[in-house]
Amino acid sequence: GENVEQHPSTLSVQEGDSAVIKCTYSDSASNYFPWYKQELGKRPQLIIDIRSNVGEKKDQRIAVTLNKTAKHFSLHITETQPEDSAVYFCAASRRTGNQFYFGTGTSLTVIP
Amino acid sequence: ETGVTQTPRHLVMGMTNKKSLKCEQHLGHNAMYWYKQSAKKPLELMFVYNFKEQTENNSVPSRFSPECPNSSHLFLHLHTLQPEDSALYLCASSQDKRDRETGANVLTFGAGSRLTVL
Repeated sequence: GENVEQHPSTLSVQEGDSAVIKCTYSDSASNYFPWYKQELGKRPQLIIDIRSNVGEKKDQRIAVTLNKTAKHFSLHITETQPEDSAVYFCAASRRTGNQFYFGTGTSLTVIP
Repeated sequence: ETGVTQTPRHLVMGMTNKKSLKCEQHLGHNAMYWYKQSAKKPLELMFVYNFKEQTENNSVPSRFSPECPNSSHLFLHLHTLQPEDSALYLCASSQDKRDRETGANVLTFGAGSRLTVL
């Protein structure tokens, strides 16, 4: 099966700085990579996703990059704000089907 | 609310109790999931139902018993649980895509049921 590893487990940055979270996956058949944000006491919510036919995707201050050859993908948050503080989960899946494999999560703290 | 509702939000039970968690989705999705979220562990997939049929059971102990009476409702029946089963149980739903459809199979989560087993 798929194995997703996520680093770092905790990350603290100053407000305005950038944050980068990295994930690796093992199954070359995985072709869909979502990122979820979970604020304290709340449900995980999809913030951005990328498919394997794309190398990079941006949505305002958030971007995700994918390297299929190396089997890794990363979340980049620029100009961080205190409301970005949350736990972020990466996942790998096939575009169809029901199996989502999650990383262990990164607890991001943005210091005002 | 995002369209996936879970009840109860908090549950405390003894090891000999029988209780159930309920999930309801109002999104018209055809797949529903139970995930277990424990501290410092990845989200663990427990069960998947697709069009009311169970398609995945990731070696979950029999003290957890799922039920999916229709594509909008999902239950997790709990019986003789152990303290290590204490966790946040998340329900999710998605619109399962077929090969030629565009878009991806996006999960929408409920707020979770926080379970404590004494």
